[in-house]
Amino acid sequence: EPEVTQTPSHQVTQMGQEVILRCVPISNHLYFYWYRQILGQKVEFLVSFYNNEISEKSEIFDDQFSVERPDGSNFTLKIRSTKLEDSAMYFCASSVAGDLNEQFFGPGTRLTVL
Amino acid sequence: TQLLEQSPQFLSIQEGENLTVYCNSSSVFSSLQWYRQEPGEGPVLLVTVVTGGEVKKLKRLTFQFGDARKDSSLHITAAQPGDTGLYLCAGPWRGGGADGLTFGKGTHLIIQP
Repeated sequence: EPEVTQTPSHQVTQMGQEVILRCVPISNHLYFYWYRQILGQKVEFLVSFYNNEISEKSEIFDDQFSVERPDGSNFTLKIRSTKLEDSAMYFCASSVAGDLNEQFFGPGTRLTVL
Repeated sequence: TQLLEQSPQFLSIQEGENLTVYCNSSSVFSSLQWYRQEPGEGPVLLVTVVTGGEVKKLKRLTFQFGDARKDSSLHITAAQPGDTGLYLCAGPWRGGGADGLTFGKGTHLIIQP
């Protein structure tokens, strides 16, 4: 069964460093998303991406964040200058198309900022 | 952002009992999804409800969408230890279309053997 994959599973970085989290969405899906989940809190929407551009972003997705689809399979989230409060699980998701919003999530990357 | 409130936050029951958990909002949603999340993993989609009053069954799990499309419930019949997990409801962040999802905080369900 097709699934969303994410690498790395765990990333440890120093405050102020740049990190890139990688995702391979399901191959026939057209919409891609990033979410984060701070330990013990709810899953929060960051950004959605369609047709090679951002379609929606939340107030969390500020200038330190960027997304890219560098080739036909990968979807990346870059955090330019990490802060302690960026420590969280980051989930990538994808969906075939819009209205039903049936999104399929990857296993997540645990980001720890020291 | 549309908000989803889930209740109860925690529920611990004995194997074989029935239970219902709830997802409520003051906003109308074009659809609602239920996900299950295991510790350290991503949410796994269980079901999507779209039409007001809709009922969907997945084995022992019954999902209902409220008539006004502002609430949903998940009923589990004869709960099993394998049903233990975090159950999340989610809906389009801004109400419809290919939006990101807004999630509730979830119901932590423990089924004791």
